[in-house]
Amino acid sequence: QVQLVESGGGVVQPGRSLRLSCAASGFTFSSYGMHWVRQAPGKGLEWVAVIWYDGSNKYYADSVKGRFTISRDNSKNTLYLQMNSLRAEDTAVYYCARDVGRISSGWYPNWYFDLWGRGTLVTVSS
Amino acid sequence: QSALTQPASVSGSPGQSITISCTGTSSDVGGYNYVSWYQQHPGKAPKLMIYDVSNRPSGVSNRFSGSKSGNTASLTISGLQAEDEADYYCSSYTSSSTLEVVFGGGTKLTVL
Repeated sequence: QVQLVESGGGVVQPGRSLRLSCAASGFTFSSYGMHWVRQAPGKGLEWVAVIWYDGSNKYYADSVKGRFTISRDNSKNTLYLQMNSLRAEDTAVYYCARDVGRISSGWYPNWYFDLWGRGTLVTVSS
Repeated sequence: QSALTQPASVSGSPGQSITISCTGTSSDVGGYNYVSWYQQHPGKAPKLMIYDVSNRPSGVSNRFSGSKSGNTASLTISGLQAEDEADYYCSSYTSSSTLEVVFGGGTKLTVL
């Protein structure tokens, strides 16, 4: 069925790295933009990053810029988030989410998320 | 502090209607029709309820509706049901240089 499944979360020490994965199934992954959205325990949602359907463009929230890298492998139907120099404030459930996008002199995100994974918890603690 | 302002909580009785507001600026809610709303039950992933200000995805009840006036978007739920009790988040594209998407802080809906 149509779904996104995140993996790779866990407990990591401050300053260390972690790579999250998001496996897509049931739809043509290579036709969709993808986002990462996180939610700290008991807090609201925070947008993290977006990648175009073909990986040609990537944008990040300032809070993670220079530390996190979003990427995708369309041959494996998988989205990634490489997280370096992790901080305590990065502790959150990380969701991947799909963006169907629109065609207007090129492909652009729709900036809404029509399919979400269940999330994977990242805890940054010594 | 979240970029979009939502009330922390709202409540209503079964069958009633409630409205959740989401206030931003001309750089986000007021400047673009890229406002969306999400429902989140405890321990679950968010679910898209409204996109592009007022459009409902297939499968979402027509009891849910969205609108926008100036810098404020609104989500209205009519005929409240017990299963509507959840957290609700608004979201918007933003032309801010710091990020591309902003969320509201979330509103806890209690069905009395």
